[in-house]
Amino acid sequence: EVQLMESGGGLVQAGGSLRLSCAASGFTFSSYAMSWVRQAPGKGLEWVSAISGSGGSTFFADSVKGRFTISRDNSKNTVHLQMNSLRAEDTAVYYCAKSGGTCYYDSSGYYYCSYNWFDPWGQGTLVTVSS
Amino acid sequence: EIVMTQSPATLSVSPGERATLSCRASQSVSSNLAWYQHKPGQAPRLLIYGASTRATGIPARFSGSGSGTEFTLTIGSLQSEDFAVYYCQHYSNWPVSYTFGQGTELQIK
Repeated sequence: EVQLMESGGGLVQAGGSLRLSCAASGFTFSSYAMSWVRQAPGKGLEWVSAISGSGGSTFFADSVKGRFTISRDNSKNTVHLQMNSLRAEDTAVYYCAKSGGTCYYDSSGYYYCSYNWFDPWGQGTLVTVSS
Repeated sequence: EIVMTQSPATLSVSPGERATLSCRASQSVSSNLAWYQHKPGQAPRLLIYGASTRATGIPARFSGSGSGTEFTLTIGSLQSEDFAVYYCQHYSNWPVSYTFGQGTELQIK
């Protein structure tokens, strides 16, 4: 069974930093892109960041670009979200999610990753930024 | 930037009846569209991907249709466990981007 478990959430002051982690199990971790998605109180879902299966490519929403970084440790089946210069508007439940498609090298050696739907998602970890 | 707009914001339906939820893209997204169900305190759950393919384990009463800019999620014969918030999501490989609609809350009438 595929499982994702987030940790690292908590209360932090504006301007501070926090590092979220997501532990994965039940699948070949390095073969899938991973993402972080957040939901602010009373709001909808917002994609935050994605990382390729190899970790060599990373992507960010404009709202967090330059403040957040994403990384992964394929030897430990974990993905991390380093959040710096936190703002009150970063307050949200942060979910880790697995991409629905795989990453692979094609016959010509090109590395291809599917960035598509999210399945499954973790239970989420709450980040509260106090101003 | 593609904007996804869901309607209605809230939908009240009686158990056993059919619910129809809409999602519109500001420009064509082909069939790169997913639907999720989200209940309070739980992880969002993938229902539909590729606009019309049911995810593993999803009951047949959930169906998705559409392509381009207009999409529909239909839930036939609503069960008590179906009352939740539903989100559509556009996904793109190039450039990599994901955009959610604002959600439709499906309420018991």
